[in-house]
Amino acid sequence: DAKTTQPNSMESNEEEPVHLPCNHSTISGTDYIHWYRQLPSQGPEYVIHGLTSNVNNRMASLAIAEDRKSSTLILHRATLRDAAVYYCILKSSGSARQLTFGSGTQLTVLP
Amino acid sequence: EPEVTQTPSHQVTQMGQEVILRCVPISNHLYFYWYRQILGQKVEFLVSFYNNEISEKSEIFDDQFSVERPDGSNFTLKIRSTKLEDSAMYFCASSQDITHYYNEQFFGPGTRLTVL
Repeated sequence: DAKTTQPNSMESNEEEPVHLPCNHSTISGTDYIHWYRQLPSQGPEYVIHGLTSNVNNRMASLAIAEDRKSSTLILHRATLRDAAVYYCILKSSGSARQLTFGSGTQLTVLP
Repeated sequence: EPEVTQTPSHQVTQMGQEVILRCVPISNHLYFYWYRQILGQKVEFLVSFYNNEISEKSEIFDDQFSVERPDGSNFTLKIRSTKLEDSAMYFCASSQDITHYYNEQFFGPGTRLTVL
């Protein structure tokens, strides 16, 4: 699976939007972009995934650049509960199913 | 909402002892996984399991580790002779995998293993 690059940490104020970037310049055409997060002392949790088009679900939105070399996870109104490590993971449709976690971005939400 | 459960939440053992960590995956899921996370480090893949056999395993998953689905609901990870470096949080996960493209994995809350 191709490599991703994320900032180590970000801060946001409560109730403001948060844009978490991910660079994946070596992404291939079959790579899906997945986002997971890990709340303190919990297991990872699926957030969203996409291939080419922007995606929305109840948790977040995923904006994918036209060349697919980067993507942004958008939390529309951050809450204190959104403080977590956010992982951007590429998964090829032809690869093994396990997830390869990087270091992710530690999001701090300030009250 | 269905969830993955794990027992115990915390296991303390002496070095050299055998431990079994238990997981109940979501009932209609087909793929099962174990991951571990040493304190302050990344989440690492150990093993995946499908159709009653190991599908993939990492270099960490050596002969000291084994997995089993002893009945229709439980999925276990056994460490035969624990070492100090096995101290970590162990996460079980499962996925439905109706298609090969969609791989949302559902993780349990973890078992904290402490080896003394």
